[in-house]
Amino acid sequence: DGGITQSPKYLFRKEGQNVTLSCEQNLNHDAMYWYRQDPGQGLRLIYYSQIVNDFQKGDIAEGYSVSREKKESFPLTVTSAQKNPTAFYLCASSTEGSPLHFGNGTRLTVT
Amino acid sequence: GQNIDQPTEMTATEGAIVQINCTYQTSGFNGLFWYQQHAGEAPTFLSYNVLDGLEEKGRFSSFLSRSKGYSYLLLKELQMKDSASYLCAVRDRGSGYALNFGKGTSLLVTP
Repeated sequence: DGGITQSPKYLFRKEGQNVTLSCEQNLNHDAMYWYRQDPGQGLRLIYYSQIVNDFQKGDIAEGYSVSREKKESFPLTVTSAQKNPTAFYLCASSTEGSPLHFGNGTRLTVT
Repeated sequence: GQNIDQPTEMTATEGAIVQINCTYQTSGFNGLFWYQQHAGEAPTFLSYNVLDGLEEKGRFSSFLSRSKGYSYLLLKELQMKDSASYLCAVRDRGSGYALNFGKGTSLLVTP
């Protein structure tokens, strides 16, 4: 079955540590996205990539970094520069004009 | 940027009909999407409008008026499992295929 896999489902880190969230898709989609969701805030776009080796900042890119070395993979690194990293992180993919398909999300808690 | 507004909460009775409104402002409109999200889960795609009018899919319908910057999602024959958050999202030509989301409407269906 095709889909988007995010791992792990729950992640705990100490403040000051960088952490990388995994996102893999086997849908052969060109575009991939990272969103952050906080209670009462809806989904906010962090980064997106429309093609391998290229990506653009979204609305809240500060404190985050991404790479797109393979079509299937779009990992997100939450750096120590991100002031409020605790959130629910959602990865998505799409092909031209299609709706976004979401992974099941990673809930990151930083203490 | 975009402004996407939808009510924060709504309550409706099992078996009834409910309409969730969404207004938006964007300079390069390229489609409006509705997603359903149960607590702690990923959003799932419900409907898509790019031209004015009504799109019907079973118990769910979505309407779009581009001139008014307005959409609504209509849910008929409500079931308890329809209790969820409903997200309105707009695609803008300036952001590739990425979607900008409203904060979501939390719908509670009561017996």
